[in-house]
Amino acid sequence: AQSVAQPEDQVNVAEGNPLTVKCTYSVSGNPYLFWYVQYPNRGLQFLLKYITGDNLVKGSYGFEAEFNKSQTSFHLKKPSALVSDSALYFCAVRDKGSTGFQKLVFGTGTRLLVSP
Amino acid sequence: GAVVSQHPSRVICKSGTSVKIECRSLDFQATTMFWYRQFPKQSLMLMATSNEGSKATYEQGVEKDKFLINHASLTLSTLTVTSAHPEDSSFYICSASRPEGVKPQHFGDGTRLSIL
Repeated sequence: AQSVAQPEDQVNVAEGNPLTVKCTYSVSGNPYLFWYVQYPNRGLQFLLKYITGDNLVKGSYGFEAEFNKSQTSFHLKKPSALVSDSALYFCAVRDKGSTGFQKLVFGTGTRLLVSP
Repeated sequence: GAVVSQHPSRVICKSGTSVKIECRSLDFQATTMFWYRQFPKQSLMLMATSNEGSKATYEQGVEKDKFLINHASLTLSTLTVTSAHPEDSSFYICSASRPEGVKPQHFGDGTRLSIL
């Protein structure tokens, strides 16, 4: 089964500094990887995805992620953090369910806190 | 704007009550929708895959008779928590994805269910 791991429960960064939220994956075959963000008491918002092609994927709100096959990583990055980026971030991989339906398998989430 | 609408956003009710949560795809037809449960400070747990016109596919450990799923049309799936008890209190989130290609899932804003 496909899986992703987010090793950090929380990441703290000062506003204006670059941020990185880590994700590693374990898949058989080519991975379909996603990043989502969740604000309090809200559903998840899609940020970006990697299917194939360029290893650097650009997404919403200035976020980008780098797919690294040798390190099996898909870290989320942003050059300059904003206080409003403070939220819960989930990495996910697409997996095939027992009946053939595609489903998402989520990491445990990383809380990002951006201080003013 | 939102492409998946989920209602209600919050429910508070007495133990033993059955609660219905609706998930609608607003601008596309979703043959498959997903229902997740999220515990405080934890990741999303896939409960079931809702399939239009057929029975839902439940993940291991999820009680089918407890969590009834109906996907009667291509734009609406409902989750009914039957005879809810305090341990069913949680944040429930639905999602749907456009059928063509590898598309990201779009999430509803979730339903906070509190059983007294």
